[in-house]
Amino acid sequence: GAVVSQHPSWVICKSGTSVKIECRSLDFQATTMFWYRQFPKQSLMLMATSNEGSKATYEQGVEKDKFLINHASLTLSTLTVTSAHPEDSSFYICSARVLAGFNEQFFGPGTRLTVL
Amino acid sequence: SQELEQSPQSLIVQEGKNLTINCTSSKTLYGLYWYKQKYGEGLIFLMMLQKGGEEKSHEKITAKLDEKKQQSSLHITASQPSHAGIYLCGADGYYGQNFVFGPGTRLSVLP
Repeated sequence: GAVVSQHPSWVICKSGTSVKIECRSLDFQATTMFWYRQFPKQSLMLMATSNEGSKATYEQGVEKDKFLINHASLTLSTLTVTSAHPEDSSFYICSARVLAGFNEQFFGPGTRLTVL
Repeated sequence: SQELEQSPQSLIVQEGKNLTINCTSSKTLYGLYWYKQKYGEGLIFLMMLQKGGEEKSHEKITAKLDEKKQQSSLHITASQPSHAGIYLCGADGYYGQNFVFGPGTRLSVLP
């Protein structure tokens, strides 16, 4: 089946620094990738939708300037958490859509971010 | 937008007992997915249902989608501690609508 990878799987950083998380579709091309965030004891919440070659669409309440998303190719999307703060500590999961129209999605293994 | 509700929010059962988790949609489901997760870990795909009345089983887990395609249930038979975790239902949008998740059901299985 389709495989989506994320790197890094976990990261610890100091407050004020920026962190980049990569999401790759390994054996298929993904025109659309999604970024989700999960806090402890809560479900996954969609942050933004990333389309290759165009600007990402952010969900209400998600700061565009803080969570920079780049989808430069059909197999790679990146999420950069800029000037990270402890409240940004969370679990981030990406997914990639295989086909337009019918939304079969495959999820990455997630990245755990801890901001000290 | 489509919203999913899950019940119960949490569940504690004794090992060996059967249990059911429900997922209800405000709109017709075009694709309903069940995942298992532990916080801080990736999603484990369990099953996907598309057709009204569809039922799928894998090992001790059975998932059903009702005829109206607005409600799904996940049934675990003879639960084991390894079944513990968060169960999430997720639903496809259709032509541009985004995938959404239910709030999750936290399952604990006592040995």
